[in-house]
Amino acid sequence: GIQVEQSPPDLILQEGANSTLRCNFSDSVNNLQWFHQNPWGQLINLFYIPSGTKQNGRLSATTVATERYSLLYISSSQTTDSGVYFCAVERYSGGGADGLTFGKGTHLIIQP
Amino acid sequence: DVKVTQSSRYLVKRTGEKVFLECVQDMDHENMFWYRQDPGLGLRLIYFSYDVKMKEKGDIPEGYSVSREKKERFSLILESASTNQTSMYLCASSSGTNSYEQYFGPGTRLTVT
Repeated sequence: GIQVEQSPPDLILQEGANSTLRCNFSDSVNNLQWFHQNPWGQLINLFYIPSGTKQNGRLSATTVATERYSLLYISSSQTTDSGVYFCAVERYSGGGADGLTFGKGTHLIIQP
Repeated sequence: DVKVTQSSRYLVKRTGEKVFLECVQDMDHENMFWYRQDPGLGLRLIYFSYDVKMKEKGDIPEGYSVSREKKERFSLILESASTNQTSMYLCASSSGTNSYEQYFGPGTRLTVT
């Protein structure tokens, strides 16, 4: 199956700093998503980005499908950005969905 | 907004009990999924369904079964709960026509004693 590696595993930053989270995947994919898991365990959708670049406020993401990686940028970090960020990919089989394969996540701590 | 709901946030069951976890989505999505999340092992796919009465095994289907009698509802069944099924269970859905973006429910934290 597809392998997904996220780096760094842990990141501690001061409020206001910028950060870059990386996701490498081992094969071509049809779906790539970034999630933020809140303290109660719910996965919050950040980006659906199988290719290209998207921006949403202080967050942006870029996926270079030909080189099999994606980057999540967080600018001007706030303490509420703390938590675990997951990258997940999906490769369709027979033209249909096949379920997401998740990376291990990046645990981000933003200190005031 | 897409809404995926799960029947319970917290559940405590005894070993050997039959357990039903229910998931409902309100967006007429074709695809529905069940995952479990464990410390050190991450999120793993248990089962998914791409249509009513259709199901496909994921990476860790052993000890589980599923049911999808209606398009909006996908149930995960633990036939005889065991302590190693103590976990966080997350349900998700995706359209499958316009987009494959998956949306997740709030999760059910199941403890089997």
